[in-house]
Amino acid sequence: DGGITQSPKYLFRKEGQNVTLSCEQNLNHDAMYWYRQDPGQGLRLIYYSQIVNDFQKGDIAEGYSVSREKKESFPLTVTSAQKNPTAFYLCASSLAYNEQFFGPGTRLTVL
Amino acid sequence: DQQVKQNSPSLSVQEGRISILNCDYTNSMFDYFLWYKKYPAEGPTFLISISSIKDKNEDGRFTVFLNKSAKHLSLHIVPSQPGDSAVYFCAASLGMDSNYQLIWGAGTKLIIKP
Repeated sequence: DGGITQSPKYLFRKEGQNVTLSCEQNLNHDAMYWYRQDPGQGLRLIYYSQIVNDFQKGDIAEGYSVSREKKESFPLTVTSAQKNPTAFYLCASSLAYNEQFFGPGTRLTVL
Repeated sequence: DQQVKQNSPSLSVQEGRISILNCDYTNSMFDYFLWYKKYPAEGPTFLISISSIKDKNEDGRFTVFLNKSAKHLSLHIVPSQPGDSAVYFCAASLGMDSNYQLIWGAGTKLIIKP
């Protein structure tokens, strides 16, 4: 059963702490993406990766970091430098062209 | 600047009638457009897409129309059903030149009334 999994579903963090969000896919997709969604807004791209060991910044990369050591995995770390980290985070993957498949999302709340 | 705009934050439609969701774009170099549906606290799911070389694509109850001269596309849902109540996102791609990144609209919340 192919798909994208994100964990955890809900995450709480104290201010000043780093936190890592997991994203795994078994679709054999080359490309993976991290988006952030805030209420009433569209999806904003944080980072994306077209191949293993390579990734590029999206529109709002500041305060975030990623790694792509395996094709299946693309974890996102929200660092203490991110000034407003409370949001809904979505991971997606795709083959080379266009259609992206999304995971269920992680809601991060900073206390 | 917003390259993909969905100017209606919400739309209410009677069950069984047609729902029309609109999307405007500014960049004439977009070569592929997609519509996604999203329920609260879930990831978006792909609905239907259209290449810039076409002006219509149909899949069951869903039809997407593309008017390149007006830089406008629309999603038609006929007939509308209660399960169609969700937020609909329009997205556009510049293809290989942008590493196939998608540019997203802000979404339109569709409410189907019984």
